Amino acid sequence: DIRMTQSPASLSASLGETVNIECLASEDIYSDLAWYQQKPGKSPQLLIYNANSLQNGVPSRFSGSGSGTQYSLKINSLQSEDVATYFCQQYNNYPLTFGSGTKLEIK
Amino acid sequence: QVQLKETGPDLVQLTQTLSITCTVSGFSLTTYNVHWVRQPPGKGLEWMGAMWNGGGTDYNSAFKSRLSISRDTSKSQVFLKMNSLQTDDTAKYFCARLEPYYWYFDFWGPGTMVTVSS
Repeated sequence: DIRMTQSPASLSASLGETVNIECLASEDIYSDLAWYQQKPGKSPQLLIYNANSLQNGVPSRFSGSGSGTQYSLKINSLQSEDVATYFCQQYNNYPLTFGSGTKLEIK
Repeated sequence: QVQLKETGPDLVQLTQTLSITCTVSGFSLTTYNVHWVRQPPGKGLEWMGAMWNGGGTDYNSAFKSRLSISRDTSKSQVFLKMNSLQTDDTAKYFCARLEPYYWYFDFWGPGTMVTVSS
């Protein structure tokens, strides 16, 4: 199984700041990576797919990058509505696997 | 519009069988694939298995032979059945639609929380 190591586990930042969340795959996943945002009590919502493609309707302050085994999600100009837990997911191979999540809070 | 909704019991007894139904609308089960993902309280997401649009299934080996997924296309429903429940099966269970060309999830149901009680 492909292991996804996500960091940090939690993050506190001020409104307007830029934050980065990382995901490291245990093997090359050839950019088959998605990022999801999950607000408390809700289901995950797709933000980014194919490592760097923005899902329709997602604000442009979200962006993804990376290749091989290393990927990151960047949130520019942090807004209060960005408070959530963020997960990465690889879909290069089955079983599909997720990172352990990053809980983002506002300072 | 695309919707998925899970319905199932809130509470299941230890060693018993869990049955959850995912009812979908806005798309056809013969065109799109629907998967099951679960999330224990305060923890991460775990892929459980797949119902493919052609009627085949795939399962995470972590669930060995406990898990069964089926469907009724006439009712637009996908079913999850898992036996021999343990307390660590307490989780929110989601059904989610797989994007047709890649294997990420473009729509999720709200999930149903299931507690396994001893």
